[in-house]
Amino acid sequence: SQQGEEDPQALSIQEGENATMNCSYKTSINNLQWYRQNSGRGLVHLILIRSNEREKHSGRLRVTLDTSKKSSSLLITASRAADTASYFCATDEVRRDDKIIFGKGTRLHILP
Amino acid sequence: EPEVTQTPSHQVTQMGQEVILRCVPISNHLYFYWYRQILGQKVEFLVSFYNNEISEKSEIFDDQFSVERPDGSNFTLKIRSTKLEDSAMYFCASRLILKRGGEQFFGPGTRLTVL
Repeated sequence: SQQGEEDPQALSIQEGENATMNCSYKTSINNLQWYRQNSGRGLVHLILIRSNEREKHSGRLRVTLDTSKKSSSLLITASRAADTASYFCATDEVRRDDKIIFGKGTRLHILP
Repeated sequence: EPEVTQTPSHQVTQMGQEVILRCVPISNHLYFYWYRQILGQKVEFLVSFYNNEISEKSEIFDDQFSVERPDGSNFTLKIRSTKLEDSAMYFCASRLILKRGGEQFFGPGTRLTVL
């Protein structure tokens, strides 16, 4: 089983629409982070939400966290062509070790 | 704003050769990490490093891999004898503190191509 599974795997929407991506995880976490990656490029940190937070905003991004359901969502409002990228959630588990675990990502494509 | 840097951005090597990937973490950070991402796949943890020793490593991090912090600023990943399947993007990350909610900061990555 995988920690941090995003769905959908791929999403295509029209420019201007809102995009919602979901992430589920399996163990208790300290925090959950969302990253963006343009094709073949580095990881851009978008937002971190701690386990005691339920919602967080940053510009056009809105992240929710439901620890009872072990799930998170990333909403991008008023999407733009430049938002086309892969989006990953990554969880920081409540354990002795401190690695973060990435999901497989959602490939978002914004259609002009 | 402080950032993690990595060099080179792209490394091409022949199978069986040794490579060293270099990272300069954020200066006051104490915890260091390497991750890799095979093309089209998810980012995978390789190793974490604290207080001049490995604190955790994954199954991927076998005897062909080693890490070192040779001075106060660099953090390196060495692959002794590269295989074709080592071709991937390698990301370095650092963290200031290890406590609830500490964010990891990632470098831009080094693309390793093994021919």
